[in-house]
Amino acid sequence: KQEVTQIPAALSVPEGENLVLNCSFTDSAIYNLQWFRQDPGKGLTSLLLIQSSQREQTSGRLNASLDKSSGRSTLYIAASQPGDSATYLCAVTYTGANSKLTFGKGITLSVRP
Amino acid sequence: EPEVTQTPSHQVTQMGQEVILRCVPISNHLYFYWYRQILGQKVEFLVSFYNNEISEKSEIFDDQFSVERPDGSNFTLKIRSTKLEDSAMYFCASSDSKWASNQPQHFGDGTRLSIL
Repeated sequence: KQEVTQIPAALSVPEGENLVLNCSFTDSAIYNLQWFRQDPGKGLTSLLLIQSSQREQTSGRLNASLDKSSGRSTLYIAASQPGDSATYLCAVTYTGANSKLTFGKGITLSVRP
Repeated sequence: EPEVTQTPSHQVTQMGQEVILRCVPISNHLYFYWYRQILGQKVEFLVSFYNNEISEKSEIFDDQFSVERPDGSNFTLKIRSTKLEDSAMYFCASSDSKWASNQPQHFGDGTRLSIL
């Protein structure tokens, strides 16, 4: 079964800390992996998309890596700020899946001032 | 920046009633999706739509559900006879590339559907 897992479910860190959010997925036959941010009661904001042929993508303080062979991705947040507090979701497009996204449950991040 | 808009933001409906959720995808996008998120659970795929027909649907998307692109801008999800378990946040998304290998799906803010 194709499944995306994110552990832990929640994380609390002090402001300024560099942190890593993990995502794992079964079945390495993927087109791409996308990281989203979700604020409470809000929609999903796309942060980064990594194609299956890429190893990493960067946007500002965010860096996402992809290791297809081990079925893992990480989202690295540098110098975390209270405004980074949100739920971060990882989603995969599997090959043959006609572009639908398969989501993990998300990691709820709290950055303490 | 262009965005996906969804209306209404919150819909309360009696069980058994029909409900239509509306979405305006990003204007030059060709692929459209509906997802839902039951409180505390994962975001789940419902259906994808391209060229005026369904590309793929999940097992959740049974005969009670339908989608339509009635004009050049709107994309709707209809639930014919709502059940309590249909209560969820429904998200619309759009993409300008079916394979999305280098194009992300863009999501709206969602419609929170509450079935009483």
